[in-house]
Amino acid sequence: DIQMTQSSSYLSVSLGGRVTITCKASDHINNWLAWYQQKPGNAPRLLISGATSLETGVPSRFSGSGSGKDYTLSITSLQTEDVATYYCQQYWSTPYTFGGGTKLEIK
Amino acid sequence: QVQLQQSGAELMKPGASVKISCKATGYTFSSYWIEWVKQRPGHGLEWIGEILPGSGSTNYNEKFKGKATFTADTSSNTAYMQLSSLTSEDSAVYYCARSSGNYGYWGQGTTLTVSS
Repeated sequence: DIQMTQSSSYLSVSLGGRVTITCKASDHINNWLAWYQQKPGNAPRLLISGATSLETGVPSRFSGSGSGKDYTLSITSLQTEDVATYYCQQYWSTPYTFGGGTKLEIK
Repeated sequence: QVQLQQSGAELMKPGASVKISCKATGYTFSSYWIEWVKQRPGHGLEWIGEILPGSGSTNYNEKFKGKATFTADTSSNTAYMQLSSLTSEDSAVYYCARSSGNYGYWGQGTTLTVSS
């Protein structure tokens, strides 16, 4: 199984600040990487697929980058509505696996 | 628009079985994989497996083989997941999602509580 590791389980960033969330796969996943945002009581919401493709309706302050085993979700200018937990997921090979999540809060 | 509507919360006794449904609207149900995901506090998101309704093809996470069984009814555009021999470890929120590789559409989740 491919393990997905999000190095930070918790991040506290100032309003308007830049956020970087990293995700490392235990094997190459060829950019078959998605990022999800989850707010309490809600299902996850797809933000980015294919490592870099922003889903329709997702604010442009969100972006994804990376290749091989290492991937990053960035948020420029953090807004209050961005407070949530963020998960990466590889869908290169089954069992599809998720990172442990990064809980983002406002400092 | 694409929607996935899941069945309501369940309270079950240990050893029992439960069947959770996921009704799809707004797209061709038979053509997309339906994924099932488990979420427990402190355990993140776990992929249970998937079913392609049009063919009935399934893929299971080895960890859930023998625990979960997927079926789909194309006449009612509904996917089902049955969980058997329930224990407290099965208490969780279960989601269905439509797959295009990634999961762009999710159900609202079904909370399962296993308690005597």
